[in-house]
Amino acid sequence: AQKVTQAQTEISVVEKEDVTLDCVYETRDTTYYLFWYKQPPSGELVFLIRRNSFDEQNEISGRYSWNFQKSTSSFNFTITASQVVDSAVYFCALSEPSGTYKYIFGTGTRLKVLA
Amino acid sequence: EAGVAQSPRYKIIEKRQSVAFWCNPISGHATLYWYQQILGQGPKLLIQFQNNGVVDDSQLPKDRFSAERLKGVDSTLKIQPAKLEDSAVYLCASSPLRGTSTYEQYFGPGTRLTVT
Repeated sequence: AQKVTQAQTEISVVEKEDVTLDCVYETRDTTYYLFWYKQPPSGELVFLIRRNSFDEQNEISGRYSWNFQKSTSSFNFTITASQVVDSAVYFCALSEPSGTYKYIFGTGTRLKVLA
Repeated sequence: EAGVAQSPRYKIIEKRQSVAFWCNPISGHATLYWYQQILGQGPKLLIQFQNNGVVDDSQLPKDRFSAERLKGVDSTLKIQPAKLEDSAVYLCASSPLRGTSTYEQYFGPGTRLTVT
């Protein structure tokens, strides 16, 4: 069965520190997609990145970077030089393109960046 | 481009009352999703529409929840009668019809429901 685990419930860091959010997934399919979303206090889920199972290249976007490792079924998210505006709940999600494309979300990691 | 719109943003009702939520997806998006997000948890899919047909409603409590998407655009989610455990944020999302690289879902701001 599909499953996404975000073991870190809450993380607090001081501004400018680097922080890594962990995501471990389970799936039997060879083709799947992984996502990260940010949920600020306003409540709206904001799309950050999509990664397909055939592309293990790490990706960097500004202060954000993602490390996808199929060998450990992990898709970790690192924020470099964190800022107060990064404070939010971050969700990792898994989707299989066959069938309904529905997402399975993890339970989220609440990141607090302190000034 | 306008995002996913939802209303109302907040709703407080008593148990056993009924409530309805409205969602307007991004223009041209064929797929529409309703999620329930209980405090401290990730969103859970309730129902998925492709145009105006239901693709997946396996986790929708059909004895009290119903949803429709008339004309393949707007959608309404209804709860009747509400229970205390229905207190949650109800999120609507949409995505384009499956294409070569369009699997992201775009979310609305949600409706926060409190059942007392």
